[in-house]
Amino acid sequence: DTGVSQDPRHKITKRGQNVTFRCDPISEHNRLYWYRQTLGQGPEFLTYFQNEAQLEKSRLLSDRFSAERPKGSFSTLEIQRTEQGDSAMYLCASSLRRQGGTGELFFGEGSRLTVL
Amino acid sequence: DQQVKQNSPSLSVQEGRISILNCDYTNSMFDYFLWYKKYPAEGPTFLISISSIKDKNEDGRFTVFLNKSAKHLSLHIVPSQPGDSAVYFCAASARTNAGKSTFGDGTTLTVKP
Repeated sequence: DTGVSQDPRHKITKRGQNVTFRCDPISEHNRLYWYRQTLGQGPEFLTYFQNEAQLEKSRLLSDRFSAERPKGSFSTLEIQRTEQGDSAMYLCASSLRRQGGTGELFFGEGSRLTVL
Repeated sequence: DQQVKQNSPSLSVQEGRISILNCDYTNSMFDYFLWYKKYPAEGPTFLISISSIKDKNEDGRFTVFLNKSAKHLSLHIVPSQPGDSAVYFCAASARTNAGKSTFGDGTTLTVKP
């Protein structure tokens, strides 16, 4: 059983450039989440998909951020015109909605973004 | 306003003793409470959870206690092992979107041999 995989693991970019992260969830999971984590803080919710539909976006997600999940499989998170404040770990997680579940998330190892 | 708070940034215990990690929340609409463990350079890993209709859930060495009136939960690890050394995150979510969790800032647990 392969877990959630994210690519790239680390991205260094210059301010103003665009970056894209990819997430491959656990295959049988129908929900996919993006979180952001900065040093010393817990993960913060950004957005989530149920199958291919993006059902919720956080107010943290400015219009420079866009996420897609074509065909309900992998997902991409794109950040346009990056700013130094975008430097963070971007975590992808998937879950399976099930009876009696408590919403446990299965996280990938994260994609660390450094904006110079 | 932080809805989930872990007031102790760090905790150090001796191997074999009990570790108690605490978490407070403010939103009475939360239905599920979860604990995740995170090692360096890895994503968080789900550890144990509890529904708001229960006050205790146990899984091996890990027990989570929920006190709804105090809006407080705790994770007990007995006995603690050096491999338990990690950052522990408390998280909470509502039934309407169980995977949309609000996380605390974590407690770094160090278990000394």
